[in-house]
Amino acid sequence: QLQLQESGPGLVKPSETLSLTCTVSGGSITNRGYYWGWIRQPPGKGLEWIGNIYYSGSTSYNPSLKSRVTISVDTSKNQFSLKLSSVTAADTAVYYCARQGDYWKSSDPWGQGTLVTVSS
Amino acid sequence: DIQMTQSPSSLSASVGDRVTITCRASQTIKSYLTWYQQKPGKAPKLLIYAASSLQSGVPSRFSGSGSGTDFTLTISSLQPEDFATYYCQQSYSTLFTFGPGTKVDI
Repeated sequence: QLQLQESGPGLVKPSETLSLTCTVSGGSITNRGYYWGWIRQPPGKGLEWIGNIYYSGSTSYNPSLKSRVTISVDTSKNQFSLKLSSVTAADTAVYYCARQGDYWKSSDPWGQGTLVTVSS
Repeated sequence: DIQMTQSPSSLSASVGDRVTITCRASQTIKSYLTWYQQKPGKAPKLLIYAASSLQSGVPSRFSGSGSGTDFTLTISSLQPEDFATYYCQQSYSTLFTFGPGTKVDI
């Protein structure tokens, strides 16, 4: 059974870079037909798609975040990562990683999510 | 960007009720519409993809319909475990966007 798990610091200072890793277990990140994505949810608010990556390294980003976001993949570790630079309090959110099918692009499964707070 | 709206934003219902949630896209998204269920403190769970295809393991009381710009999620007989927030999401454009959510409570 495929499982995803986010990891990384829960507290980041304003203007610094948020870095998270998603570890995939129970399956290979190089399986064709799937993208690997990041979604976030500010406390008490709705969901926002950040971007995704194919195992080959091809990426797609939310234009509103594109100048600050980098998603990368490490196939040797079966992991993919998110970096978000120049963070502000508005970036405080639960960050989820998820697998996305390459046709309908639905996300399943999801990681449990990790809360990242931006504060000095 | 394709904007997604949902109605109602919240609703109160009882066990056994038939519940319908509507999602509308600002332009056609064909059938690239997914429904998720989210309970407090948990990750969203995929219910319906391709507008009307039931995800494996999801109870048959959940169903989806629609295409183009107007979509519906129906719960035929609400169960206690169905009290949650429901989100629609389009994946027709390269920028995936979610609806604002519909909270279903007692």
